[in-house]
Amino acid sequence: DSGVTQTPKHLITATGQRVTLRCSPRSGDLSVYWYQQSLDQGLQFLIQYYNGEERAKGNILERFSAQQFPDLHSELNLSSLELGDSALYFCASSENPAGKDQETQYFGPGTRLLVL
Amino acid sequence: EDQVTQSPEALRLQEGESSSLNCSYTVSGLRGLFWYRQDPGKGPEFLFTLYSAGEEKEKERLKATLTKKESFLHITAPKPEDSATYLCAVLISGNTPLVFGKGTRLSVIA
Repeated sequence: DSGVTQTPKHLITATGQRVTLRCSPRSGDLSVYWYQQSLDQGLQFLIQYYNGEERAKGNILERFSAQQFPDLHSELNLSSLELGDSALYFCASSENPAGKDQETQYFGPGTRLLVL
Repeated sequence: EDQVTQSPEALRLQEGESSSLNCSYTVSGLRGLFWYRQDPGKGPEFLFTLYSAGEEKEKERLKATLTKKESFLHITAPKPEDSATYLCAVLISGNTPLVFGKGTRLSVIA
């Protein structure tokens, strides 16, 4: 158990709908990262938050957005869903950039999204 | 562009048959290289971090090594429970996202 929690575990929805995925980082971790994993693409970075502020953006669609709250949990919002958005969505967390040993990213169990 | 390439894509071993997985990287500057294990439908599980060429880390039947251009994950006398996808990722600078390779899918047959 990495200490990172994600809800829900599974989500089935229809095209055009909107969903919210939730992530709680390990206790004390300030950075939260969202990744998407589909069968043929591998793990793709979406977005990073550090202590409530957006820190980096990757291949995140405009239909997707995220935020990190004062208690450090994060939510990923996916809207106007398309069939191609079906994937595993992972959240990872790390401590802070003060030292190398604190940069390891620990992953949650993921949310499997199926868009029908 | 920063790239991470893993080979082979898939590897099938008999129980006890040692082998190595390769991760080569082309990055502007390497802060750290990470190995993860991922079981189907689960989140990646952290195995090792390597920071400088020549560094080695070991855990049970696994040993990771790092050179200036690649890393190897050596698996000694594997068991069926070692079957998983092994992912390599690089960190370019502190507090930034990881860049992942596509993984090596390892199957160990009893």
